Amino acid sequence: QSALTQPASVSGSPGQSITISCTGTSNDVGGYNYVSWYQQYPGKAPKLMIFDVTYRPSGVSDRFSGSKSGSTASLTISGLQAEDEADYYCSSYTSSNTRVFGGGTKLTVL
Amino acid sequence: QVQLVQSGAEVKKPGASVKVSCKASGYTFTSYIIHWVRQAPGQRLEWMGWINADNGNTKSSQKFQGGVTITRDTFASTAYMELSSLRSEDTAVYYCAREVGRAFDIWGQGTMVTVSS
Repeated sequence: QSALTQPASVSGSPGQSITISCTGTSNDVGGYNYVSWYQQYPGKAPKLMIFDVTYRPSGVSDRFSGSKSGSTASLTISGLQAEDEADYYCSSYTSSNTRVFGGGTKLTVL
Repeated sequence: QVQLVQSGAEVKKPGASVKVSCKASGYTFTSYIIHWVRQAPGQRLEWMGWINADNGNTKSSQKFQGGVTITRDTFASTAYMELSSLRSEDTAVYYCAREVGRAFDIWGQGTMVTVSS
């Protein structure tokens, strides 16, 4: 199972919006609405930000939103804040009942 | 509160095995699946496998089949991940995570495993 494809890095200024893409295949992202997104600070465990493509867990800011089209899922962060600077990973359920992560995207807030 | 607490850092020699534990508290252990995920230094998250804490069924990534063993002790509310025939490339932080639906909502703090001669 190959990793899902994410851009290595994205950047934006405070207040702007950014979008991180996550591309898979029909056997994972394209086949199921089971894409989740995680935020990870250096040296810390990941934190769930989005599940089932579009849903936010309780306590996660509504500045974070998710979507999907075909085999590409996206995470959008609006109103960028300095605290959003972190690594972001997507993950998907697969047709083999396994899970797969993306390569990770480093978000820099300029 | 709901949490997963993992065992401490390990240093192993190449060819050895390591067993990492993940103790659950604050919820009914047997009602959820536990996954194991690793992250080599500066690298991406890599999914390793899961165990159904209720019936003990497991599934692992093809990459680790034959090399990883995932078990659980329901009385201790603890899941275990054992990795054998360690190589330097297995140096990583190993995480356990609880699955809700198809997402990982609770993560352990991570266990650093260093493989060095």
